[in-house]
Amino acid sequence: AAGVIQSPRHLIKEKRETATLKCYPIPRHDTVYWYQQGPGQDPQFLISFYEKMQSDKGSIPDRFSAQQFSDYHSELNMSSLELGDSALYFCASSSGGEPSTDTQYFGPGTRLTVL
Amino acid sequence: AQTVTQSQPEMSVQEAETVTLSCTYDTSENNYYLFWYKQPPSRQMILVIRQEAYKQQNATENRFSVNFQKAAKSFSLKISDSQLGDTAMYFCAFMKAPRGYSTLTFGKGTMLLVSP
Repeated sequence: AAGVIQSPRHLIKEKRETATLKCYPIPRHDTVYWYQQGPGQDPQFLISFYEKMQSDKGSIPDRFSAQQFSDYHSELNMSSLELGDSALYFCASSSGGEPSTDTQYFGPGTRLTVL
Repeated sequence: AQTVTQSQPEMSVQEAETVTLSCTYDTSENNYYLFWYKQPPSRQMILVIRQEAYKQQNATENRFSVNFQKAAKSFSLKISDSQLGDTAMYFCAFMKAPRGYSTLTFGKGTMLLVSP
């Protein structure tokens, strides 16, 4: 079965640079979530999109922005990177229509290292 | 706001034995979902099992089963016949229902080590 695709898998940036993370949800999934997982921590919700509209917002810094495109893929844009942004960034997708598909399926994550 | 508590930072079990991981949560919602995800060394987040709060029957997936006690707000995971591949961090997670775009709130995780 098709899974959530994230790219790149690994990314190394310098402080104050920008980064763009991409997420391709499971086919026919209309909802995308972004989570940030720091070392030794649980995933923290950043932002989500349902049918290309922002549906919820968590602890996402103002330096970060995201959007969902017409093909349902999503991009997380991160500017003025700081050392503390080093983390594993997960994208998850679900189908918001039917209750039985509320389950979020996670991609493999993008490991961002800020030097 | 919802909170999820996993009181066991680490647990260990031998192959073929049974182990139970604990999870409690706090919410004022009446309709919600609970999940267990595992995160092996690869760091992939893998769904283990899901429980709808309105269902009294405990969910089961092969060797994995839950003990869902809604009144006590408890949601434990039992792993039977433990295998080396079960070694992973296990996260308990809560999601409000019924809309599909509700977010997940995770516990801090329990690291499970399965030894030969």
